[in-house]
Amino acid sequence: AQKITQTQPGMFVQEKEAVTLDCTYDTSDPSYGLFWYKQPSSGEMIFLIYQGSYDQQNATEGRYSLNFQKARKSANLVISASQLGDSAMYFCAMRDRPPFQGAQKLVFGQGTRLTINP
Amino acid sequence: DAGVIQSPRHEVTEMGQEVTLRCKPISGHNSLFWYRQTMMRGLELLIYFNNNVPIDDSGMPEDRFSAKMPNASFSTLKIQPSEPRDSAVYFCASSWGETQYFGPGTRLLVL
Repeated sequence: AQKITQTQPGMFVQEKEAVTLDCTYDTSDPSYGLFWYKQPSSGEMIFLIYQGSYDQQNATEGRYSLNFQKARKSANLVISASQLGDSAMYFCAMRDRPPFQGAQKLVFGQGTRLTINP
Repeated sequence: DAGVIQSPRHEVTEMGQEVTLRCKPISGHNSLFWYRQTMMRGLELLIYFNNNVPIDDSGMPEDRFSAKMPNASFSTLKIQPSEPRDSAVYFCASSWGETQYFGPGTRLLVL
């Protein structure tokens, strides 16, 4: 069964610094996808970035990038130039079925609470 | 374009009462997911539908929980009878392809 591990329950970072949030995963399926979501204190879940297991390049979306190391089974989220509004819970998630096989089940990690200090 | 819409946003009820949560997915999306979030268990998938058909309900806690998707634009999650341990935030999400987009959630408190 697939598993997602986020080892950092909380992180504190100074504004404008870069942040790396760790995520490791375990799956036996060669085709999988990795996702990061942000959950601010207001409670909604906001999609940030996606990486497919066959993607050659690391995914990037604005200030977010995903440091994908397939051999290590890690998919760390990097936030550049952090802002106060980045303070939130961050969840790593994985689906372990090829995208063409209908809907896919996401498994989430326990999350990392990021606090950006002014 | 409107995102996933959930109602109600907050629900307080007494143990034993029936609770119905509603979800309208993003137009054009063909998959719909119901999740539950608690401090103890994190985010758990309860059930998901593809083209209105339930694909996997293995996450549904017990027979007190049921979900329906009568058409592409509406789904319900029903708890009958409700218990205090059902208190949680319930999220609906929809997708067409890789990414699931979440609704704002329903915060349920069962007294």
